[in-house]
Amino acid sequence: AQSVAQPEDQVNVAEGNPLTVKCTYSVSGNPYLFWYVQYPNRGLQFLLKYITGDNLVKGSYGFEAEFNKSQTSFHLKKPSALVSDSALYFCAVRVPPPMEYGNKLVFGAGTILRVKS
Amino acid sequence: NAGVMQNPRHLVRRRGQEARLRCSPMKGHSHVYWYRQLPEEGLKFMVYLQKENIIDESGMPKERFSAEFPKEGPSILRIQQVVRGDSAAYFCASSGLDSNQPQHFGDGTRLSIL
Repeated sequence: AQSVAQPEDQVNVAEGNPLTVKCTYSVSGNPYLFWYVQYPNRGLQFLLKYITGDNLVKGSYGFEAEFNKSQTSFHLKKPSALVSDSALYFCAVRVPPPMEYGNKLVFGAGTILRVKS
Repeated sequence: NAGVMQNPRHLVRRRGQEARLRCSPMKGHSHVYWYRQLPEEGLKFMVYLQKENIIDESGMPKERFSAEFPKEGPSILRIQQVVRGDSAAYFCASSGLDSNQPQHFGDGTRLSIL
């Protein structure tokens, strides 16, 4: 069964500094990997995905993520953090058919990002 | 608004009552997913539906919970005889036929059981 680990409950960073939110995964087969962000009392907003191709994926709001197959990681990064980036971030994995029946996402527990001015 | 629409946003029920949560997928999407977010936890998959079919219900509790996505109208997640442990945020997501595309989420229904 697939699983996702986000080892940090919370990440604190100063505005203007680079940020990294970590994610590792465990799946059978080739994973589809996603990052979502959640603001208070809202649903999840899609940031970026890795399906195949370039290991460095660029997404919304200046975020990017690097897929590392040997380390089974998909860390989220941004070169310069903004206070408005403060939110809850989720990493998710999906194994595409025919390896896994259905299209469900398996989420990590989430990481709270706090950016201080 | 062409996004995923969920209603109500907040629902309060007393123990033993029924809760009905509705989800209208994004225009053009025919796949609907329900997830539950318990306090201080991530999202857990519950069920995946296409029109008139339940494709994967491996995350649904065995009793009291049911879901449907009829030919016409929204998808419904129904919880019978609610208990305090059902208090959570329930999120609906939708996607199109292309499995490479991400799921898009609604703003959720926050269910509180008194």
